[in-house]
Amino acid sequence: EGQLLESGGGFIQPGGSLRLSCAASGFMFSDHAMIWVRQAPGKGLDWVSGLSGGSDTILYVNSVKGRFTISRDNSKNMMYLQMNSLRAEDTAVYYCARLSRGSPSVFDIWGQGTMVTVSS
Amino acid sequence: DIQMTQSPSTLSASVGDRVTITCRASQSISTWLAWYQQKPGKAPKLLIYKASSLESGVPLRFSGSGSGTQFTLTISSLQPDDFATYYCQQYNSYWTFGQGTKVEVK
Repeated sequence: EGQLLESGGGFIQPGGSLRLSCAASGFMFSDHAMIWVRQAPGKGLDWVSGLSGGSDTILYVNSVKGRFTISRDNSKNMMYLQMNSLRAEDTAVYYCARLSRGSPSVFDIWGQGTMVTVSS
Repeated sequence: DIQMTQSPSTLSASVGDRVTITCRASQSISTWLAWYQQKPGKAPKLLIYKASSLESGVPLRFSGSGSGTQFTLTISSLQPDDFATYYCQQYNSYWTFGQGTKVEVK
C-alpha cells in the first residue's frame, strides 16, 4: 500500500508564489501518472494538474494554465507544483493523488493535503 | 466538459438504514464512474471504480450500479463509520466530481 505526503502550503499574498511537494513511498512511483486536486474551503473537489509517469503528458485545468507548473523527479519519488501569480480563488487544500494503472484512471491513493491560503 | 450532478445534497439517516445516492452525468460516460468517501479534515478515499467494482478493503455493504448517464451508490446497512460526504467522479474524459452528498445523523 503506497503513501503520499504533501508539503509546502502556507499563507501567501496575491501575486505571490509557492511550491508544493508530494513525496511518494511504498510503490513504483515512475509507473504511475500523478495528479494535484484541490478543494476550496467548504467546497467540492477539482483536479488542477496531472502528469504521466515519464512526464511526457502534462495536463492543466484552464484556470491555472500559464501560472502553475507541474513536474516530477522519479529518482527522488517526488512530484511538485510550482504556483505563480496566485489569486484568492486558488485558496484551497491541495491534495496529490496517484492515478491507477491502465486507462482511464481513477485516483486510488491520496495524500493528507496541504493548505494554501492566498490573501492580503 | 462533462458535468456531474449528485442527489440529494444532504441525506439524514440512522444506523442500519439502507442509503442510496444518485449521480447523473451530462453525457454518456459508459461505466467510467468512481465513488469516493471523505470525512472532515481528511483526504477522499476511493470506494468504487468502473461504476460497480469495489476497491480492495472496502466493506461489502457498499455497492455501485449504473451505466451511461445514471449511477447509484448504495450502502446496504449504514454503520457509524459511514457518516461522511460522498463524491461521484467521471473519468471518461479528464475528471469531474459531483458536488457531494453529505450523509448525516438523523
